[in-house]
Amino acid sequence: QKEVEQDPGPLSVPEGAIVSLNCTYSNSAFQYFMWYRQYSRKGPELLMYTYSSGNKEDGRFTAQVDKSSKYISLFIRDSQPSDSATYLCAMSPGLSGGSNYKLTFGKGTLLTVNP
Amino acid sequence: DAGVIQSPRHEVTEMGQEVTLRCKPISGHDYLFWYRQTMMRGLELLIYFNNNVPIDDSGMPEDRFSAKMPNASFSTLKIQPSEPRDSAVYFCASSLVLLRETQYFGPGTRLLVL
Repeated sequence: QKEVEQDPGPLSVPEGAIVSLNCTYSNSAFQYFMWYRQYSRKGPELLMYTYSSGNKEDGRFTAQVDKSSKYISLFIRDSQPSDSATYLCAMSPGLSGGSNYKLTFGKGTLLTVNP
Repeated sequence: DAGVIQSPRHEVTEMGQEVTLRCKPISGHDYLFWYRQTMMRGLELLIYFNNNVPIDDSGMPEDRFSAKMPNASFSTLKIQPSEPRDSAVYFCASSLVLLRETQYFGPGTRLLVL
């Protein structure tokens, strides 16, 4: 079993739809959870960052972490064509340095929002 | 600030040749990361530096890969000799603080080894 699993899609939705992106993981030591957005032929950029379980909201974006199920989600409300990108989840055990720091990424989900 | 700068943006080379990728991190950032992205394996951390010192190189695939950071504003990732399976997009990223702060990624170098 891979440490982080993410459905690669592609996912195509109409403008205004609610989008749900998900990752599952197997390493119970993961404490930090992130979502990165990567536009075509660009580097990833951090979108959302959460620690441990719970929800975090930022504008149209909501990140959820359920550590009991080892499942994280990113919701996009009122999706826009400009949201079309690949979304990568990433996670890490902690800040103690060395290999504990290392971010493990999902392979990404390609999202297209059609006008 | 111009962000993380990588060069070249594209590199096409033949198997067996030496390849050198370059990165200039954001001024003042203490951490520098080298990643590789492929369709099969996704985004993988190869090595990271703190204050120019390599901290964790456990992601470096084999001895053909080496990375240096001679000063706070420059790092290189070298592949010698290159092989077709090294074809990927290589990203450099920098951050001010480990993990908590955003990692800022460069635009990447697309490497194709024939």
